[in-house]
Amino acid sequence: QLQLQESGPGLVKPSDTLSLTCTVSGGSITNNNYYWGWIRQPPGKGLERVGNIFYSGLTSYNPSLKSRVTIDVDTSKNQFSLKLKSVIATDTAVYFCARHGESTSGWDYWGPGTLVTVSS
Amino acid sequence: QSVLTQPPSLSAAPGQKVTISCSGSSSNIGNNYVSWYQQLPGTAPTLLIYDNNKRPSGIPDRFSGSKSGTSATLGITGLQTGDEADYYCEAWDIRVSGGVFGGGTKLTVL
Repeated sequence: QLQLQESGPGLVKPSDTLSLTCTVSGGSITNNNYYWGWIRQPPGKGLERVGNIFYSGLTSYNPSLKSRVTIDVDTSKNQFSLKLKSVIATDTAVYFCARHGESTSGWDYWGPGTLVTVSS
Repeated sequence: QSVLTQPPSLSAAPGQKVTISCSGSSSNIGNNYVSWYQQLPGTAPTLLIYDNNKRPSGIPDRFSGSKSGTSATLGITGLQTGDEADYYCEAWDIRVSGGVFGGGTKLTVL
């Protein structure tokens, strides 16, 4: 059974860089039938795609965050990561990592999510 | 302001049927597949419907999806108290080269 697990600091200071890692178990991140991504949810609000990455390293970012976001993949550790720089209070959210079918719609496996608070 | 428009809330009685609408445009729903998610309080979303009307294994057939033009609909029959949740639609949008979500619909089963 595929499992995803987010990890990283729960508190980040304004203007600093938010860094999260998603560890994938029960399946290979190099399976080219899927790609991997980050979705966030501010407290009490809806879902927002942050960006995604194919195992080849090709990325796609939400245009509203593109200037601040980097998503990388580490195939040796079966992990992918998120870096969001120059964070502000409105970046406070639960961050989910998830898997998406290459030729089908929908994020079919999700991590439980991790709350990241931006505060001094 | 979400790219896809959903009603903020709906309510219905146990056993009844409910439909949740999702309105978009030709850049998203009109030319791409729609997915639907259920999010129970404090948990990650679960994929209910993909490719407009397909159910992943394990999703009961009480849940159904359809699409017409630039709108999509999620149907839930035989409502149960356990169906109380937030529901989100999603579709690929060519303007942003990525998926966009609806604002979510809070379903109350009373």
